Amino acid sequence: QLQLQESGPGLVKPSETLSLTCTVSGGSISSSNYYWGWIRQPPGKGLEWIGSIYYNERIYYNPSLKSRVTISVDTSKNQFSLKVSSVTAADTAVYYCMRSPLGVYATMSWGQGTLVTVSS
Amino acid sequence: QSALTQPRSVSGSPGQSVTISCTGTSSDVGGYNYVSWYQQYPGKAPKVMIYDVSKRPSGVPDRFSGSKSGNTASLTISGLQADDEADYYCCSYAGSYIWLFGGGTKLTVL
Repeated sequence: QLQLQESGPGLVKPSETLSLTCTVSGGSISSSNYYWGWIRQPPGKGLEWIGSIYYNERIYYNPSLKSRVTISVDTSKNQFSLKVSSVTAADTAVYYCMRSPLGVYATMSWGQGTLVTVSS
Repeated sequence: QSALTQPRSVSGSPGQSVTISCTGTSSDVGGYNYVSWYQQYPGKAPKVMIYDVSKRPSGVPDRFSGSKSGNTASLTISGLQADDEADYYCCSYAGSYIWLFGGGTKLTVL
């Protein structure tokens, strides 16, 4: 049974870098059958796709966030990570990690989400 | 790219049917048959209800159906039940491995 668990600081200061990790259990991050990614949701607002990473390490980002976002994979720990630099209050959100089968154009598996607040 | 357009709220009585629309452009909804719909309860992660416009994942009741016409996709829930009350989001592939979500629709079961 696949489990995705987000972890990281719940509070980040403005202008600093937000860092989150998604730990994968019940599946291998190295599998060529899936792609992984991040989605966020500001409090009381809608969902926003952040980016996705594929087994061949191709990474695609939301154009509106591309200059500040980095997604990477650590196969030795079966984890993937998200970094958002120069954060502002607008980056306050619940951050979800996700997995989907290659060729399926939808988010089939979600983590439980973690709230990150940007505040001094 | 701009977010897809959904009505902020819809409502219906138990047993009735409701339809939620999701309007985009020819570059996203109209250009690909890759529209998905998600149900989200307060404080919970979203759950996929429909993908590829009209496919249902295993375990999703057939009361949920999806369709698309031009640049507008729709989610129809028939035989409304109390536990269908939730927020619903559409999502569309927009090319170049980019995804767009709608703003979300709150469904109230009267």
